Amino acid sequence: AQSVTQLDSHVSVSEGTPVLLRCNYSSSYSPSLFWYVQHPNKGLQLLLKYTSAATLVKGINGFEAEFKKSETSFHLTKPSAHMSDAAEYFCARPSTSGTYKYIFGTGTRLKVLA
Amino acid sequence: DVKVTQSSRYLVKRTGEKVFLECVQDMDHENMFWYRQDPGLGLRLIYFSYDVKMKEKGDIPEGYSVSREKKERFSLILESASTNQTSMYLCASSQKYRFATEAFFGQGTRLTVV
Repeated sequence: AQSVTQLDSHVSVSEGTPVLLRCNYSSSYSPSLFWYVQHPNKGLQLLLKYTSAATLVKGINGFEAEFKKSETSFHLTKPSAHMSDAAEYFCARPSTSGTYKYIFGTGTRLKVLA
Repeated sequence: DVKVTQSSRYLVKRTGEKVFLECVQDMDHENMFWYRQDPGLGLRLIYFSYDVKMKEKGDIPEGYSVSREKKERFSLILESASTNQTSMYLCASSQKYRFATEAFFGQGTRLTVV
């Protein structure tokens, strides 16, 4: 079955240190993949997307993600965390089951410590 | 700038009331979605629509119905609101060719049923 797995439900980092949010997908081929961010009481905003072009994708606010087919991973990174990065992050992909749905991970809540 | 607009940010309704949540998109997207988001449960798809007057049930359609009379507007209806429908509701839209295209989200409606 298709799935997107976010390996950590909560991640805490200190301000100025690197951020790593992990996402693995299941698929027999290379799907499109997305990372979204959600600040409290807001909707989801697209951070970046992979669509089978470059495997290293750069997004907004200094985030980037690397598509690794051999590891079926699409981890989100940022070299230096800022307090404003505290939010919930979702990894997602389109379903390929003949519908127009999307499959979302369960989310990772990022906490940034001063 | 692309826009998905939900009619209310916060809503308080009484048990048994009929509740309408409205969503409008200005991107001429074919697909529209309604999700609910609850702590620890991630995003769960209620209904989606891939064309005017077309709809399909998502994962949790019970207690909800939808209406799509115009391409840009997708309404979620709670026929008789109950306290277990207290939640954050998110509307989204996407282009028909989903494999490389992301979903765009509204700002969310936080519904409280008392």
